[in-house]
Amino acid sequence: NAGVTQTPKFRVLKTGQSMTLLCAQDMNHEYMYWYRQDPGMGLRLIHYSVGEGTTAKGEVPDGYNVSRLKKQNFLLGLESAAPSQTSVYFCASVRDGINQPQHFGDGTRLSIL
Amino acid sequence: RKEVEQDPGPFNVPEGATVAFNCTYSNSASQSFFWYRQDCRKEPKLLMSVYSSGNEDGRFTAQLNRASQYISLLIRDSKLSDSATYLCVVNIRNAGNMLTFGGGTRLMVKP
Repeated sequence: NAGVTQTPKFRVLKTGQSMTLLCAQDMNHEYMYWYRQDPGMGLRLIHYSVGEGTTAKGEVPDGYNVSRLKKQNFLLGLESAAPSQTSVYFCASVRDGINQPQHFGDGTRLSIL
Repeated sequence: RKEVEQDPGPFNVPEGATVAFNCTYSNSASQSFFWYRQDCRKEPKLLMSVYSSGNEDGRFTAQLNRASQYISLLIRDSKLSDSATYLCVVNIRNAGNMLTFGGGTRLMVKP
């Protein structure tokens, strides 16, 4: 049981390049989330999904797009990368319900030069 | 004002010490509460949920005070392996089951 898997683990991009981060979960969870974490700051929600085919904006959605075409996958896209998007990105999922904790992937470290 | 506030620390304590962290939250509609642990450059991992009546898991005790809107975590008999950042996390009742994270409190346990 792999849990939540993120790919890639590391990536360096040049300003203006595009890329997609993949999050996959094998726990049949309904809800999935993308966060970013910057030095000295807590996790901030970028986008989330409450089920296949649905997405919604979080706290810091600008510059990112997401898609949830399959229940097990949640993709985060950067159309035109900027240095301000240098961060560690975490994906998380939860089955459903308000009292359940989220399960996290091990992160993607992204540097934009 | 941040929705979830924590003292960033670091808290430097010797092995065997008892240490306590507090966290305050601003939204009175908050419904569920958690403590997560995050090691350097790793993903957050659930340490424990926090229940209204307070709860204990081995050396760890969590308390919730809804009237004052704060949550606490007590660690007894600190181990070197307890060194990490502890994240206070709050869930406000909403359709997306979204969590709000505090900035974390860093703990360093010294020999």
